[in-house]
Amino acid sequence: QQPVQSPQAVILREGEDAVINCSSSKALYSVHWYRQKHGEAPVFLMILLKGGEQKGHEKISASFNEKKQQSSLYLTASQLSYSGTYFCGPEDFGNEKLTFGTGTRLTIIP
Amino acid sequence: NAGVTQTPKFRILKIGQSMTLQCTQDMNHNYMYWYRQDPGMGLKLIYYSVGAGITDKGEVPNGYNVSRSTTEDFPLRLELAAPSQTSVYFCASSYAREGPGSYEQYFGPGTRLTVT
Repeated sequence: QQPVQSPQAVILREGEDAVINCSSSKALYSVHWYRQKHGEAPVFLMILLKGGEQKGHEKISASFNEKKQQSSLYLTASQLSYSGTYFCGPEDFGNEKLTFGTGTRLTIIP
Repeated sequence: NAGVTQTPKFRILKIGQSMTLQCTQDMNHNYMYWYRQDPGMGLKLIYYSVGAGITDKGEVPNGYNVSRSTTEDFPLRLELAAPSQTSVYFCASSYAREGPGSYEQYFGPGTRLTVT
């Protein structure tokens, strides 16, 4: 079953903050986050692992609630370059594959 | 490193034709994946491979076949193309992690396929 992301779309002014949520129906080992700009391939942002280890880059942070099977991505002081569609990719136990979420389209305006 | 490369970039097929989408990675990743992305939608896993000679089905494998004879290459075969296979196809690869969980996936630029 496909993970559900919320909101589906959001429009922000440059400098504003955003939170993107991802909910899964399965017990998770990790959650990946990717950003895809229009007409391009998805690009890795961050991995959150069970137990709290976090890998990522850029000025973007995330949280992972294993009990609730949820993850949230936090974008603070958004920049124009943050525009794109964000996908979460939860990974359940025993699998080497991700099930990508429904996506959140983020538009940053000047 | 070129990363993950895909050919062709664009292709138009007639209903019933067949074709192979090529995917090559030069990062010595043992995991490789094929996804399709319909317009305005998310990524659906078609097939994946955890190493040469090993492949497994994803969410939407019907109408497709794969093989993995080398670490570098993971071609996707479409047999008897149908309009429902019109989509953008992405290949991706990643390292294997020791223990549970995987590393980040690196995506190729995609192949835009239209079946008419």
